Amino acid sequence: AQSVTQPDIHITVSEGASLELRCNYSYGATPYLFWYVQSPGQGLQLLLKYFSGDTLVQGIKGFEAEFKRSQSSFNLRKPSVHWSDAAEYFCAVVSNQAGTALIFGKGTTLSVSS
Amino acid sequence: EAGVAQSPRYKIIEKRQSVAFWCNPISGHATLYWYQQILGQGPKLLIQFQNNGVVDDSQLPKDRFSAERLKGVDSTLKIQPAKLEDSAVYLCASKRTGNTGELFFGEGSRLTVL
Repeated sequence: AQSVTQPDIHITVSEGASLELRCNYSYGATPYLFWYVQSPGQGLQLLLKYFSGDTLVQGIKGFEAEFKRSQSSFNLRKPSVHWSDAAEYFCAVVSNQAGTALIFGKGTTLSVSS
Repeated sequence: EAGVAQSPRYKIIEKRQSVAFWCNPISGHATLYWYQQILGQGPKLLIQFQNNGVVDDSQLPKDRFSAERLKGVDSTLKIQPAKLEDSAVYLCASKRTGNTGELFFGEGSRLTVL
């Protein structure tokens, strides 16, 4: 069965510093991978997605992610973090069961310090 | 366009009582999902509908949880009787047919079972 692992429960980054959030997946074939963000009191919002092709994908809010098949990873990056980026970030993979639902990791909480 | 609407936003009940949550997806979105998000964890799929048919309910605790989407638009998720471990945020999401993984989430309904 597919699974997604986010090794870091909580990360603190200084405002203006770079960010990398880790995601590892377990999947037999080429996965469909996603990053979602959940801000306090708000619903989950899609940041970016990877289906195939270019392994470096660009998303909204200045985020990007790189798919590395050899490492089974899909890490999220941002060159310069803003205070408004403080939120919970979830990596997800599409289920290969009957439906097309997403399987989410446990999430990484990002705090931004001034 | 209007987003996914959910109600109530908050509900507190005692164990063994019943509760119902309502979801109105984005207009035209044929696929609807209910997820359960327990504090500190990622969302877990409970049920997926395609129009008014169930696609996947393999993780729905059917002895106490039920869901319906009678007219292929709004959906209701019911818990009866509630247990302490049902305390969670219940997220509704919808998706346009064909847009794999691109879910639009509501703000969620937070349930506390005492």
